[in-house]
Amino acid sequence: DAGITQSPRHKVTETGTPVTLRCHQTENHRYMYWYRQDPGHGLRLIHYSYGVKDTDKGEVSDGYSVSRSKTEDFLLTLESATSSQTSVYFCAIRGQGSSYNEQFFGPGTRLTVL
Amino acid sequence: SQQGEEDPQALSIQEGENATMNCSYKTSINNLQWYRQNSGRGLVHLILIRSNEREKHSGRLRVTLDTSKKSSSLLITASRAADTASYFCATDTFKTGANNLFFGTGTRLTVIP
Repeated sequence: DAGITQSPRHKVTETGTPVTLRCHQTENHRYMYWYRQDPGHGLRLIHYSYGVKDTDKGEVSDGYSVSRSKTEDFLLTLESATSSQTSVYFCAIRGQGSSYNEQFFGPGTRLTVL
Repeated sequence: SQQGEEDPQALSIQEGENATMNCSYKTSINNLQWYRQNSGRGLVHLILIRSNEREKHSGRLRVTLDTSKKSSSLLITASRAADTASYFCATDTFKTGANNLFFGTGTRLTVIP
């Protein structure tokens, strides 16, 4: 999984609780992304980062916030989780050099909001 | 939404046969990419075709792109059981320069040994 780790890998939480997912990379990539994957929707971009403290919204950003205080970590926060945020969350990094237009994905976090 | 649509949603073939899956998208693109996802895993990049290219090969993979029809196809030749996975197309419209990709809904391929 291209040196990308996600934590936790599985989480069950209750509606209204805050949740933070962590993405960690070890290769100093500038761009990092958070996606969610739901049946019938493929992957949809939530937020992305193009550097430390530089982030922007994606296609489905409502209800989510992100932070990137250092290059290697990109955090996704659900301030008050809802059942509609039950999903599998993937972090990705943008490749470098000849792979600059490709993305490399982490193993995913399965989140269930009861 | 700029999300693409893939066809078929599911495909089941015998080992050794060829598998073809199609992707349609809505807006002009900089490039189109195909990714594979094994069950329970993250996506893995397979191949990229630029908007000025019409066909590209990589091993047993052949990708075509028709920008006039806003469509692409992925052909896997001489399929193997290990090719069983979901396949997604993703388009890069280059609007932000941030490599934001818009993914299709995927084709689930099952290769029967």
